[in-house]
Amino acid sequence: DIQLTQSPSFLSTSVGDRVTITCRASQGISNYLAWYQLKPGKAPKLLIYLASTLQGGVPSRFSGSGSGTEFTLTISSLQPEDFATYCCQHLNTNQYTFGQGTKLEIK
Amino acid sequence: QVQLVQSGAEVKKPGASVKVSCKASGYTFTGHYTHWVRQAPGQGLEWMGWIGPKSDGTKYAQKFQGRVTMTRDTSISTAYMELSRLTSDDTAVYFCARSSGWPYQFDYWGQGTLVTVSS
Repeated sequence: DIQLTQSPSFLSTSVGDRVTITCRASQGISNYLAWYQLKPGKAPKLLIYLASTLQGGVPSRFSGSGSGTEFTLTISSLQPEDFATYCCQHLNTNQYTFGQGTKLEIK
Repeated sequence: QVQLVQSGAEVKKPGASVKVSCKASGYTFTGHYTHWVRQAPGQGLEWMGWIGPKSDGTKYAQKFQGRVTMTRDTSISTAYMELSRLTSDDTAVYFCARSSGWPYQFDYWGQGTLVTVSS
């Protein structure tokens, strides 16, 4: 099975900061990657799919890039509502896998 | 608007089974896959499997083969996930999620159902 490894696991950051989260796949997955935002007690939210396509309604401060084995999620200017956990996902209908998550904390 | 509303929290004893429901509204239930994903305390998300929209059947993650059953009742737009032979390791929040067409990303999720397994 393909493994996804995110870095960092935790990030202490401030409103207005530019944030970059990395997701590395154990083997090439082309651009079959999605990013989600997770908040406690809420339904996860799809942000990006196919590595760089922004889901409708998601603010443009979120962007994704990468292909093959290395991917990044960037938040250009962190807003208070962005403090959450972010998770990548390999899009494979036979075996979806998720990264372990990156938690953004207020500095 | 699209909504997935899940059943309430459950407390089960080891060895028991649990059945979680996921009622869909705001879209054509028979046009989309329904997935089940869980998140144990302090852990990441774990995909459990999907049930197809029409006659596509089911696909389960190998880890849950033989222990999970996913069904649906199209007359009430509801999907179900039953997990048997529960252990404390199954304590988690269970989510349902919808995927649309290729590449089958999960565009809407339920609110989650906490299942606690404790003697």
